[in-house]
This record gives sequence, C-alpha cells and structure tokens, in this order.
Amino acid sequence: AQSVTQPDIHITVSEGASLELRCNYSYGATPYLFWYVQSPGQGLQLLLKYFSGDTLVQGIKGFEAEFKRSQSSFNLRKPSVHWSDAAEYFCAVGVEGRSNFGNEKLTFGTGTRLTIIP
Amino acid sequence: NAGVTQTPKFRILKIGQSMTLQCTQDMNHNYMYWYRQDPGMGLKLIYYSVGAGITDKGEVPNGYNVSRSTTEDFPLRLELAAPSQTSVYFCASSYSMAAGADTQYFGPGTRLTVL
Repeated sequence: AQSVTQPDIHITVSEGASLELRCNYSYGATPYLFWYVQSPGQGLQLLLKYFSGDTLVQGIKGFEAEFKRSQSSFNLRKPSVHWSDAAEYFCAVGVEGRSNFGNEKLTFGTGTRLTIIP
Repeated sequence: NAGVTQTPKFRILKIGQSMTLQCTQDMNHNYMYWYRQDPGMGLKLIYYSVGAGITDKGEVPNGYNVSRSTTEDFPLRLELAAPSQTSVYFCASSYSMAAGADTQYFGPGTRLTVL
C-alpha cells in the first residue's frame, strides 16, 4: 500500500523568504502526486499535481514542485512567500485505478502547518 | 457553480444520538468521497462512491453509513454517535478516478463534536 510522509509538522518563515515543504512517498510504481492547501476553516484546494512528463510542475499561487524518483520525493517550493500563504499543506499520493475500483483513492500525509512572520 | 456544499457547518451531538451530514455537488462528478480530519492525522477516507447506487468502504468506515441515490448527493450517516467521532468531516468529488485519483474538489467541512 502507498504511504506519504511529511516530516515537518510546522514551519515558520519570514514574509518574502523562500519556502520548501518536504514530501516523501512510498509506492512500488510511479505514483500520481498532489499538493493541496487548506486555509483556516476551509476545505482543501489543489495547488498542483504530477502524473507524468516534466518532473517540475507549476501550480497556482506561484508554487512549484519537483518529482525526484531517486529520492521518492515531491517537495513543494515557492521563491518568495506572502502572508496569505499561511495555511496547512498536504501532500497526497494516488494510484492507478482498477476496473473493479479496488484501490482508487488518495492517501494524504499528515500535513505541514506554515506560519508567516511579517 | 457552487461546487461542493456541506451542511451543517457545526454540530454538537450527545453520545448515542444520530445525524446525517449532507453533501451536494453541482459539477456532475461521478465520484464522491467522505473524509475525516483529526489533528496531526491528515485525512482518512471513510467511504466513497463511484456513481449513483454504488458505494464502498474506505480506511475508517466503522460507525458510519452512506447512500448515493443521485449523482449530486452523498449523505453520511452516524447512527450512534461516539466521542471518537469528534472530528472535521470533508466531502469531496471528482470527475473520475480512472487515471489514479483525479483532482478532488472539497467542500468547506463540518465540525462535529460528540459529548
């Protein structure tokens, strides 16, 4: 079964500084990888996803992520954070669906809470 | 489009009471999901549905039931509420799962407390 690890529970960065959130996955084949963001009191919103092709993926709000197969990682980056980026970030892995829908679902990491200092 | 809507936003239940969490989507998505989110635990899948009349268990289905009589609606039923069901519940939908978990669209959540 697939799994996702987000090793950082809480990260604090200054506004304007760069950001990298870590995500490691475990899965036997090439996974489908997602980053979601959850603002306080809100549901989750997709930032970006990787299915295949270019390993550097661009998302919304200026975020990007890089898939590194050799490291089983899919880290999220942003060159300069804004106060509005304060939120919780979830990495997720999906597996290819089967005709009997036996295993089609997302597995989420435990999340990284991002705090921005003015 | 309203997207995915959930009601109620907040609810307090007594142990043993029952309730239904409502979820509706207006995107004509085939797939719908219920998750619970506990602090430090991420999201856990409770039940999902691949279309009207078809549902299946996720990782943590005990204590819950679902039905899917229409494409739009996917209610979650708690029959005998227990303190362990105190959580935030999210409903989500996606057009398909055939590609290995399509983009899921989430509702705003229902915060449930069982006392």
